[in-house]
Amino acid sequence: GAVVSQHPSRVICKSGTSVKIECRSLDFQATTMFWYRQFPKQSLMLMATSNEGSKATYEQGVEKDKFLINHASLTLSTLTVTSAHPEDSSFYICSARDAGAAYEQYFGPGTRLTVT
Amino acid sequence: GQNIDQPTEMTATEGAIVQINCTYQTSGFNGLFWYQQHAGEAPTFLSYNVLDGLEEKGRFSSFLSRSKGYSYLLLKELQMKDSASYLCAVSGGYNDYKLSFGAGTTVTVRA
Repeated sequence: GAVVSQHPSRVICKSGTSVKIECRSLDFQATTMFWYRQFPKQSLMLMATSNEGSKATYEQGVEKDKFLINHASLTLSTLTVTSAHPEDSSFYICSARDAGAAYEQYFGPGTRLTVT
Repeated sequence: GQNIDQPTEMTATEGAIVQINCTYQTSGFNGLFWYQQHAGEAPTFLSYNVLDGLEEKGRFSSFLSRSKGYSYLLLKELQMKDSASYLCAVSGGYNDYKLSFGAGTTVTVRA
């Protein structure tokens, strides 16, 4: 149980285009999902907290107009990187919190974004 | 703000024991997590401590001292597959469940 999927696993796009990444909780309801970014040999940095049915909460320094987050259902959150640039190339990881669990977050397998 | 420190790298021999320390200074505290992450993969949950003391789970144990802002992850009977990055993360907010991660400790297990 407690499986989180992400799609796509890898994506290469051209500078200036937009990319959408999906995060799904497959066997539980996730009222809260988190989006992280991880650059090579660095730790995970929280970008935003996504709550079902409401606007996402962004961490300081993260541009909300560039990283659009939608959490339309209890099992799906999407992150859209708009007008991507090479510096946006990174490993994007989502996690989901089971509404019925006390503390644990379950991580998706990550999406490797390369912007050329 | 959140400040979480852990060593960058550690090397140990197969079958040995390694202890990864983590110190933290956070504006709040709602639990400390340890995750294992292999290169190019997502983190997998290892342990959670919210009260002082030692939590043992098979070959892995985790300790917490809230008064000292200190935790360690103990890996016993090391196996080659334990070579990975180990991330210390703190949940600092009440009811928001956000995690702040340390930079990670890369453990290399040698034969």
